[in-house]
Amino acid sequence: QVQLVQSGAEVKKPGASVKVSCKASGYTFTNYGITWVRQAPGQGLEWMGWISAYNANTNYAQKLQGRVTMTTDTSTSTAYMELRSLRSDDTAVYFCARDHYGDYPKYWGQGTLVTVSS
Amino acid sequence: EIVLTQSPGTLSLSPGERATLSCRASQSVTSSYLAWYQQKPGQAPRLLIYGASSRATGIPDRFSGSGSGTDFTLTISRLEPEDFAVYYCQQYGSSPRTFGQGTKVEIK
Repeated sequence: QVQLVQSGAEVKKPGASVKVSCKASGYTFTNYGITWVRQAPGQGLEWMGWISAYNANTNYAQKLQGRVTMTTDTSTSTAYMELRSLRSDDTAVYFCARDHYGDYPKYWGQGTLVTVSS
Repeated sequence: EIVLTQSPGTLSLSPGERATLSCRASQSVTSSYLAWYQQKPGQAPRLLIYGASSRATGIPDRFSGSGSGTDFTLTISRLEPEDFAVYYCQQYGSSPRTFGQGTKVEIK
């Protein structure tokens, strides 16, 4: 069965960077893309961007352009999301999700809490 | 950017009642590329509906989606205790792939 297992919670200071991993199993990694979504405490879902695991093409939300980088390691079937210059409003649960042939996120990871605090 | 507006913000209903959730887009959603998700506290979202009206694998038939263009609806025909949650719509026809702000379905 499809599984996405994310790395553990992180606490970072403002201005630092964080890199969240998402290890996939149960399917051919390079046949699908990975979407990243975040959710601030008590808030709704925010689409951050998408990466193709086939050719590493990316599509980022404009508000995060320049601060976010999404990558994949096909040798380990793992996707990564790095967010730089962290601010307090980046505090959120970060989810990865496998898409359905480039469309909607279908299978979700368990989420990773990133707390940005001085 | 397509803005999705969900209404109502909160729906207070009793088990067995019918729930009707609305998702309105600021511009037409390409090819009805509209999905619905259910989220319970502390959990990841769960895909319910894609393509505006197709149920995802394993989703009970009490959940149904309809609509096209700018107006979409998620209907839960008879609420079960496990259906009380927050529901989000998302359009995936154009970038950025925006979400609505969510509708909370709570027990009355």
